[in-house]
Order: sequence, then C-alpha cells, then structure tokens
Amino acid sequence: AQSVTQLDSHVSVSEGTPVLLRCNYSSSYSPSLFWYVQHPNKGLQLLLKYTSAATLVKGINGFEAEFKKSETSFHLTKPSAHMSDAAEYFCVVSERGTYKYIFGTGTRLKVLA
Amino acid sequence: DGGITQSPKYLFRKEGQNVTLSCEQNLNHDAMYWYRQDPGQGLRLIYYSQIVNDFQKGDIAEGYSVSREKKESFPLTVTSAQKNPTAFYLCASSRLTGSSYNEQFFGPGTRLTVL
Repeated sequence: AQSVTQLDSHVSVSEGTPVLLRCNYSSSYSPSLFWYVQHPNKGLQLLLKYTSAATLVKGINGFEAEFKKSETSFHLTKPSAHMSDAAEYFCVVSERGTYKYIFGTGTRLKVLA
Repeated sequence: DGGITQSPKYLFRKEGQNVTLSCEQNLNHDAMYWYRQDPGQGLRLIYYSQIVNDFQKGDIAEGYSVSREKKESFPLTVTSAQKNPTAFYLCASSRLTGSSYNEQFFGPGTRLTVL
C-alpha cells in the first residue's frame, strides 16, 4: 500500500535562508512523486514531479527535490526563501497505472522578514 | 487559457439542503476527481471518473453524489446525508494514467459552509 509522510507540519525560515521540507513515502512499485503548493483559499499548483528520468528534479520558482530510493525520501529544497514562498506544501505519491494519488498532510511554510 | 473552473467560490448551505458544486475543464482530460480538504488532514478523495458516464467512489463518498454526462464537466452534489459538509472542496483533472507520470491539475476550490 502506498503512503506518504510529511515530517513537519510547520516550518519557519528567515527570508534569504535555505528551505527544506521533508517527505518520506512508501510504495510497493515504481512510484510517481509530486510536490504541490497551495496559497490560502486557492487550488494546488504543481511545483515539480519525479518521472524516473533523473533523481534530482528541478521545478518552478527555484525549488528542487531529490529522489532517494534507499531512503524512500523526496525532500523539497530551495536555496533562498522569498516572502512569496509562504504557503502550504503537499507531497503526493501515486503508483503508475493507477488512479489514486495519496496526499501528505501538508507542511505550512512561514517566511520571516 | 486551458484550465479548471469551479463555481461558486463560496457556498452556504442550510441544514437538510442539497447543494451542487460545479467543475468544468477545457484541458481535454479524461480523468476528473473531487477532493475534500479539512485543516491538518490533507486532501481526501470523494469520487473520481475516468470516462464519461462512469465514476467510482473514493475514500469518503458517503453523503455525496456525482455525475459525468460530459467529458468537460463533473459536478458534485453534497446531500443532506453528509452530516459535516463544511470544508474546502477541490476538483482536479488529469490525463488517464498509464505508462506516463500524469500530474493532476486543480481548480481554485469552493468553500462550503453549513449555516
């Protein structure tokens, strides 16, 4: 069975410092992995997705994530936080060939001036 | 611009009423989904559809109903049987899963409040 765990419900960083949002997954087969961002009262926007072509995935707005099969992790990083990055972030896992997308419970990122 | 629209943005329901949330997409996607979002719980799947005139229950389908008469449209009805409907509802669509990694595209959401 698939599952995804976001290890921190809240993360606070200062503007200009690195961001690390942690995600661990469990999947029996080759997983699809995604990171989405959600600003208050808005829909979800795709940041990046793992497609098995490369373990280091670059996304929009300077975010990237590294797929580590041995650690079953897909952590999201950004070298320098911006105020506009303050939002909720969701890690999602899906097995290829299935309809089902499993969402983590989200990490709320706060960026301090 | 291609995308997903949801209406209304805010909806208020009285006890015992059925209400219908609209979801339309012009991305030519086959699959459509309805999720419910509550604080601290992530997104939970209510219903999904992979083809016109066919849909399947998700994890929390009780008290909800859907239809898929057109590829572009997937309305969700929250019935009076749903005892705690106050939540943020998100509609999504995707290409049919298969050999490729298909991401979901989301609408802007509808916030439903029970009065």
